[in-house]
Amino acid sequence: NAGVTQTPKFQVLKTGQSMTLQCAQDMNHEYMSWYRQDPGMGLRLIHYSVGAGITDQGEVPNGYNVSRSTTEDFPLRLLSAAPSQTSVYFCASSPTGWSNEKLFFGSGTQLSVL
Amino acid sequence: SQQGEEDPQALSIQEGENATMNCSYKTSINNLQWYRQNSGRGLVHLILIRSNEREKHSGRLRVTLDTSKKSSSLLITASRAADTASYFCATARTSTGANSKLTFGKGITLSVRP
Repeated sequence: NAGVTQTPKFQVLKTGQSMTLQCAQDMNHEYMSWYRQDPGMGLRLIHYSVGAGITDQGEVPNGYNVSRSTTEDFPLRLLSAAPSQTSVYFCASSPTGWSNEKLFFGSGTQLSVL
Repeated sequence: SQQGEEDPQALSIQEGENATMNCSYKTSINNLQWYRQNSGRGLVHLILIRSNEREKHSGRLRVTLDTSKKSSSLLITASRAADTASYFCATARTSTGANSKLTFGKGITLSVRP
């Protein structure tokens, strides 16, 4: 199993551009989530999904959209990138989303918005 | 807002010494988890301790939980250079059983000198 795969690993955008960060998992996990990691801020939850067709907002959802059409994929969309969205983005999954499960993380996407 | 706060922010020790890291939180929890992040990589789950447990071991790791003080500690015994990483505590609140409410602290940077 590849686990949780994120693409791309690095991306540079100009303010106002749009892009999609990809996340795929091959473990048949129901729960998937997106976090952003900023220096001195730790990880903050952006959006999450407890199954195909079900998504919900996390702590910092503004400026980001998500959808979950399949169990395997959970893309994160930036419709109009802003410098404040410069960060490292992590996708994470777990089997059912219950709190007694560990999260499996991807290797991250480093995004710079100029 | 961060639920878990780690202490100290940074720790530097000699190889072979023990490393103790602390985490404090504010609200009642279902469980507390510790993760490790090597530079430039995603987070890796280390250990989970439930709210009705006081101590848990995994190899060279020992985690304690004191719900009356709302605090946890992670002890790494006989540290190795390979233990150099950032360590995060994450808490799942009792308001919901889902990982959707798993919140991370800002992390502790551990450096183990050879």
